[in-house]
Amino acid sequence: DIQLTQSPSFLSASVGDRVTITCRASQGITSFLAWYQQKPGKAPKLLIYAASTLQSGVPSTFSGSGYGTEFTLTISSLQPEDFATYYCQQLNSFPLTFGGGTKVEIK
Amino acid sequence: QVQLQESGPGLVKPSETLSLTCTVSGGSMSSYYWSWIRQPPGKGLEWIGYIYYTGSTTYNPSLKSRVTISVDTSQNQFSLRLSSVTAADTAVYYCARAREDISRMGYYYYYMDVWGKGTTVTVSS
Repeated sequence: DIQLTQSPSFLSASVGDRVTITCRASQGITSFLAWYQQKPGKAPKLLIYAASTLQSGVPSTFSGSGYGTEFTLTISSLQPEDFATYYCQQLNSFPLTFGGGTKVEIK
Repeated sequence: QVQLQESGPGLVKPSETLSLTCTVSGGSMSSYYWSWIRQPPGKGLEWIGYIYYTGSTTYNPSLKSRVTISVDTSQNQFSLRLSSVTAADTAVYYCARAREDISRMGYYYYYMDVWGKGTTVTVSS
């Protein structure tokens, strides 16, 4: 199975901050990576797929980049509604696997 | 727009079979893969498996011996059965639609673009 390691596991930030979350894969996955946002008690929400393609309706403050084994999710200006847990997921090697999550909290 | 809704018992006894159904509304099941994902309390996400609308399945090997996913397109539903459950199967279970896409190099990949709200299943006697 492909292991995905997210860092940091937890980060504290303020509204307006630029935030970057990293996801590292245990082997190369080209650009087959997605990012999801999950708020407490809610289902995950797709933000980005194919490493950098923004899902329809997702604000442009979110962006993704990376290739191979290292990927990043960037929030250019953190908004109050962005405080949540973020997960990466690799998309083409079975079983499909998720990273352990990064919780973004208000400083 | 497509919506998914999980249903089924919230409490299952150890060694019994967990059965859940996901009802798809607002769209067709055709040309999509339909997934089950679970999340134990306070933990991360685990992909259980998916089924194509034609009935072909792919399961997580860690659960494959205990999992069956089926589809009934006439009812716009797909279902999960997980046998011989233990406390470790206690989780929120989500159903989701998975889209298949193809890269420029010709490789297929799958991402979950629509999710149900989730249903909590507790395994306890």
